[in-house]
Amino acid sequence: DADVTQTPRNRITKTGKRIMLECSQTKGHDRMYWYRQDPGLGLRLIYYSFDVKDINKGEISDGYSVSRQAQAKFSLSLESAIPNQTALYFCATSDFVRGSYEQYFGPGTRLTVT
Amino acid sequence: QKEVEQNSGPLSVPEGAIASLNCTYSDRGSQSFFWYRQYSGKSPELIMFIYSNGDKEDGRFTAQLNKASQYVSLLIRDSQPSDSATYLCAVNEGSNYQLIWGAGTKLIIKP
Repeated sequence: DADVTQTPRNRITKTGKRIMLECSQTKGHDRMYWYRQDPGLGLRLIYYSFDVKDINKGEISDGYSVSRQAQAKFSLSLESAIPNQTALYFCATSDFVRGSYEQYFGPGTRLTVT
Repeated sequence: QKEVEQNSGPLSVPEGAIASLNCTYSDRGSQSFFWYRQYSGKSPELIMFIYSNGDKEDGRFTAQLNKASQYVSLLIRDSQPSDSATYLCAVNEGSNYQLIWGAGTKLIIKP
């Protein structure tokens, strides 16, 4: 089984709809992240969480919210989806190993907002 | 603003040759440096990390770090078509170990 899972893997939704992307991990890591990736722009951080009670905004948090339900679960919500939120979304976890925090990624969710 | 810069490419290399990928960063306080490989439509996967000046070798891959010049590079020897992917450079942000990401270099290995 995969260490970091994301659901759904693909989603098409309409403008104005609320949508939730879910992430679960079995790695036992405290730190979890949500990124979006657009062609040519690399990975941009939306939110990150260092533990269940510590949630922080990333560089592009506007229009998004998150919930850390447990150490293993971190959900991303789009309260009212808009077309420019069409992107590939990745969840990642990290742990302090070998002197730094390496990040491990889920398979991604491809979201299309029409 | 802390930045990580990579040439977007594509970088085209003949099969069997050495592919050289470069990355520069702005934060002198950065301590750890990572190379990730990402196939189209897939998630990034960690190839190598380095935190000391000099070279670090792992199989066909060599990471090179020069903190004085603020650059890190990845060499791929005996390039294979399966190495064709986008390579992402990531640098830790010193205060809380957040990663700052480059936009990636697309590498194409031609048979």
